[in-house]
Amino acid sequence: RKEVEQDPGPFNVPEGATVAFNCTYSNSASQSFFWYRQDCRKEPKLLMSVYSSGNEDGRFTAQLNRASQYISLLIRDSKLSDSATYLCAVNTPNTGNQFYFGTGTSLTVIP
Amino acid sequence: EPEVTQTPSHQVTQMGQEVILRCVPISNHLYFYWYRQILGQKVEFLVSFYNNEISEKSEIFDDQFSVERPDGSNFTLKIRSTKLEDSAMYFCASSEVGQGNSPLHFGNGTRLTVT
Repeated sequence: RKEVEQDPGPFNVPEGATVAFNCTYSNSASQSFFWYRQDCRKEPKLLMSVYSSGNEDGRFTAQLNRASQYISLLIRDSKLSDSATYLCAVNTPNTGNQFYFGTGTSLTVIP
Repeated sequence: EPEVTQTPSHQVTQMGQEVILRCVPISNHLYFYWYRQILGQKVEFLVSFYNNEISEKSEIFDDQFSVERPDGSNFTLKIRSTKLEDSAMYFCASSEVGQGNSPLHFGNGTRLTVT
């Protein structure tokens, strides 16, 4: 069973669209959740942390659903520059310091 | 904004050779990590390092691998006797605190190609 799972996509959306990704995690004891953005052959860059109450940063909204064990990322008013792969990262205290990453969801925003 | 830096950006080596990948973590961060990403696959944990010792390692991090903090700024990953399947992007990361309480900040990676 995979620790973290994501739909690989690809998601192809027009500019201005709203798109949402989910990421499921297997360990109910997981405590810390993050979304990263990764451009082709580049390093993952932190997009946002995911807080229990949900949080928003501009066009991006992250939510946590502990009951169903998933986190989500919503992007509103998509821009061409949002095209990237979005990775979720999960940390579970009893697994120490390592973060488990999903395989990522590929997003292409089309003009 | 402070960042993690890695050198070299690309390393080509022959099978069986040793390579050393170098990283300078963010200066006030206490936890350091190496992750790798084989082309087209997910980012995988190799090792975490705190207080000058390994705090955790994955199954991938076998005797072929070692890490060191030779001075106050550098953090290195050594791969002895490289194999073809070691070809991947290797990312160094650091975090302010451990146990997942702060996010990882990644360096720009070293692309290792083993021929």
